[in-house]
Amino acid sequence: AQSVSQHNHHVILSEAASLELGCNYSYGGTVNLFWYVQYPGQHLQLLLKYFSGDPLVKGIKGFEAEFIKSKFSFNLRKPSVQWSDTAEYFCAVKDAGNNRKLIWGLGTSLAVNP
Amino acid sequence: GAGVSQTPSNKVTEKGKYVELRCDPISGHTALYWYRQSLGQGPEFLIYFQGTGAADDSGLPNDRFFAVRPEGSVSTLKIQRTERGDSAVYLCASSPRTSGELFFGEGSRLTVL
Repeated sequence: AQSVSQHNHHVILSEAASLELGCNYSYGGTVNLFWYVQYPGQHLQLLLKYFSGDPLVKGIKGFEAEFIKSKFSFNLRKPSVQWSDTAEYFCAVKDAGNNRKLIWGLGTSLAVNP
Repeated sequence: GAGVSQTPSNKVTEKGKYVELRCDPISGHTALYWYRQSLGQGPEFLIYFQGTGAADDSGLPNDRFFAVRPEGSVSTLKIQRTERGDSAVYLCASSPRTSGELFFGEGSRLTVL
């Protein structure tokens, strides 16, 4: 069965620090990969997605993620975080062959101290 | 509207009562999903519609939960004989047929006392 693992459950950083959140998935086929963000009191929003092509994907607000197929990973990065990046971050995976359900990680809570 | 709309935003009910949660997806989106999210957890899949039919309802926890989408647009999630364990935020998302990207609503927070 497909599963998604996010290694860091809680991360605390100071402003301007670099961020990397790990995401690994288990699935043998072709996948679509997503990172969603949920700011406090708001709904889930798409940060970035990978369907095919360049494995380095750039998203909104300076975030990027790299798909490494051999490692089944899709880690999220940002070179310099801001206080406004404080949020919950979710990695999700979908079988590229159909439009069915996403499989979600448990999420990583990021707190950025000013 | 421009985004996915869910009503009510908050619902407090007593154990044993019946509850309906409504989702109005983005116009033209053929796929509609219901998830629920508990504190500190990722979204838990409930059911997925493609058009009017439920393409995958494997996530519905038991037969107290039911969802409909009679005209392929608005969907209603129905929960009978609510239990305290049903308390969660119920999320609706819609997606264009070929995209796979989900657009989420604000959620309906259900509290069962």
